[in-house]
Amino acid sequence: DAGITQSPRHKVTETGTPVTLRCHQTENHRYMYWYRQDPGHGLRLIHYSYGVKDTDKGEVSDGYSVSRSKTEDFLLTLESATSSQTSVYFCAISPGQEYGYTFGSGTRLTVV
Amino acid sequence: AQSVTQLDSHVSVSEGTPVLLRCNYSSSYSPSLFWYVQHPNKGLQLLLKYTSAATLVKGINGFEAEFKKSETSFHLTKPSAHMSDAAEYFCVVSERGTSYGKLTFGQGTILTVHP
Repeated sequence: DAGITQSPRHKVTETGTPVTLRCHQTENHRYMYWYRQDPGHGLRLIHYSYGVKDTDKGEVSDGYSVSRSKTEDFLLTLESATSSQTSVYFCAISPGQEYGYTFGSGTRLTVV
Repeated sequence: AQSVTQLDSHVSVSEGTPVLLRCNYSSSYSPSLFWYVQHPNKGLQLLLKYTSAATLVKGINGFEAEFKKSETSFHLTKPSAHMSDAAEYFCVVSERGTSYGKLTFGQGTILTVHP
């Protein structure tokens, strides 16, 4: 999607290992979000950021941490990956809540 | 608190017939409402949004939705389905007045279009 890229697109990792997913934007939007998508659950918010070094928890934040050291990058870290964290992860950006979000193409993570 | 209920998990239509995807919402504040579409193995694309202007909202690809406050509904319609409309659709609510614009997603409706 224009202006937002996620990396990697696919990853397989072992239980107990740390994993970092990256979201990069070129739109200079203030807000950035990490969601996970699982069948039957829609998208659920993990963490979000409302500025550099300003982050907060979403509804499913256990086992995840984030960092935003500059406007364009928002990192999601699974501190010790578990099989329950196998999912598709989407990053989103927004200039403000009335404008909706632009989503990245997603990262498919498999924890074995 | 806010929530979204998509009333149908699956909808099946024939090509050329109308599409109706139903969505009810609950919100403590004046909501912004969105419909997103996700094609298989793709990201989410914004179809249309309601943010307190006209209650009938037109989006891309011939879709439209009507905000009905009295019914707390935001149903998505299209007069004539195309095969390319086959995808999963998400109704989404954001409470205006919150500091970070948290989006709450419905569980999705899978639209199947038959030739």
